[in-house]
Amino acid sequence: KAGVTQTPRYLIKTRGQQVTLSCSPISGHRSVSWYQQTPGQGLQFLFEYFSETQRNKGNFPGRFSGRQFSNSRSEMNVSTLELGDSALYLCASSPGTGLVNEQFFGPGTRLTVL
Amino acid sequence: AQKITQTQPGMFVQEKEAVTLDCTYDTSDPSYGLFWYKQPSSGEMIFLIYQGSYDQQNATEGRYSLNFQKARKSANLVISASQLGDSAMYFCARGARGSTLGRLYFGRGTQLTVWP
Repeated sequence: KAGVTQTPRYLIKTRGQQVTLSCSPISGHRSVSWYQQTPGQGLQFLFEYFSETQRNKGNFPGRFSGRQFSNSRSEMNVSTLELGDSALYLCASSPGTGLVNEQFFGPGTRLTVL
Repeated sequence: AQKITQTQPGMFVQEKEAVTLDCTYDTSDPSYGLFWYKQPSSGEMIFLIYQGSYDQQNATEGRYSLNFQKARKSANLVISASQLGDSAMYFCARGARGSTLGRLYFGRGTQLTVWP
């Protein structure tokens, strides 16, 4: 099975711009979760989508949004970028049902905001 | 609280030796899972091992084993016969069923350095 893919791998934007990141989960997985990783805050959960619906949400401002398509691919959007949004954004794929799901991560998108 | 604590910011081990990375967690959920991930400098999170809260035996995956002590709420990762390629950041994480099924809570990580 192919692993989780994320595009783009690297991104440089300026303050005030918006950005869209994409994640394709493992085939058959219906859940996609997004995490932000920074040196100061560590790994923080953004949100999770399951069957095109947001099922869980972390404590991030409304500038961070996401969606999931019928093929389980997910996109994350950040509007009005701030310097503090510079981070590694990781998405994780899991079956989404059952007891506790193992999550498999993609390579991440490294976003730099100038 | 959903806190995951990794008390060792950095660990050093000589090649071929075993090393234990500590992890304690705080939860009131009756059913949960514990995960360890490895993150090399490239950034990708690599799944290593999983332990379910109701599993009777400690999980093992090759050179990785998980020392699970439920009453103490600890889930230490043991790497046997360390290799130079094991040098990386290691994260402990907890997941749960129910309303937070798709979410993992992570510790701050332990930077492991393996020297020859």
